[in-house]
Amino acid sequence: NAGVTQTPKFQVLKTGQSMTLQCAQDMNHNSMYWYRQDPGMGLRLIYYSASEGTTDKGEVPNGYNVSRLNKREFSLRLESAAPSQTSVYFCASSYRLYEQYFGPGTRLTVT
Amino acid sequence: KQEVTQIPAALSVPEGENLVLNCSFTDSAIYNLQWFRQDPGKGLTSLLLIQSSQREQTSGRLNASLDKSSGRSTLYIAASQPGDSATYLCAVSNSGGSNYKLTFGKGTLLTVNP
Repeated sequence: NAGVTQTPKFQVLKTGQSMTLQCAQDMNHNSMYWYRQDPGMGLRLIYYSASEGTTDKGEVPNGYNVSRLNKREFSLRLESAAPSQTSVYFCASSYRLYEQYFGPGTRLTVT
Repeated sequence: KQEVTQIPAALSVPEGENLVLNCSFTDSAIYNLQWFRQDPGKGLTSLLLIQSSQREQTSGRLNASLDKSSGRSTLYIAASQPGDSATYLCAVSNSGGSNYKLTFGKGTLLTVNP
């Protein structure tokens, strides 16, 4: 039982490049989330998926897109990366509105 | 807009001491409140979740209380150990249509000295 896994662990992009962050959970959770964590700003919700087939914007969705591929997987895409998207990205999952379980994070640097 | 504040921002204590971390929130219409621990360079680990109808939750040496009407929660750690050193984060979800959204405080950095 791996919990929540994220790939890659580290990534460096040039401005304008695109990439997809992958997240998978094996806990049969309905809901999945993407957060970013920045010094002095704390954790902020980018997008979430309350259940398979639905996605909704969080606090800071601009510049990102998401796909809930199936119940296990929720990906985050940066279409044209900007230096302001340099951050640590966390995926999380929960059974409905109960405890959220977090992955280990992806450290992204955009130059 | 919900805002979550954690005081103090940093705390250093000797091993064995009991301590209290504080969390306050501006909108009392919450669905639940969750306490997390984050070790440097790692993800978040859920410690305790308190539903809005509950007053407290306990897990081992940890006890979290919730006073919804005053917008406050505390995390009590008994007999602290060096392994408790980490950043502790408080997060709330609001009731109503946005209850999937967690609003986080900026955390309290705890150092327990041997």
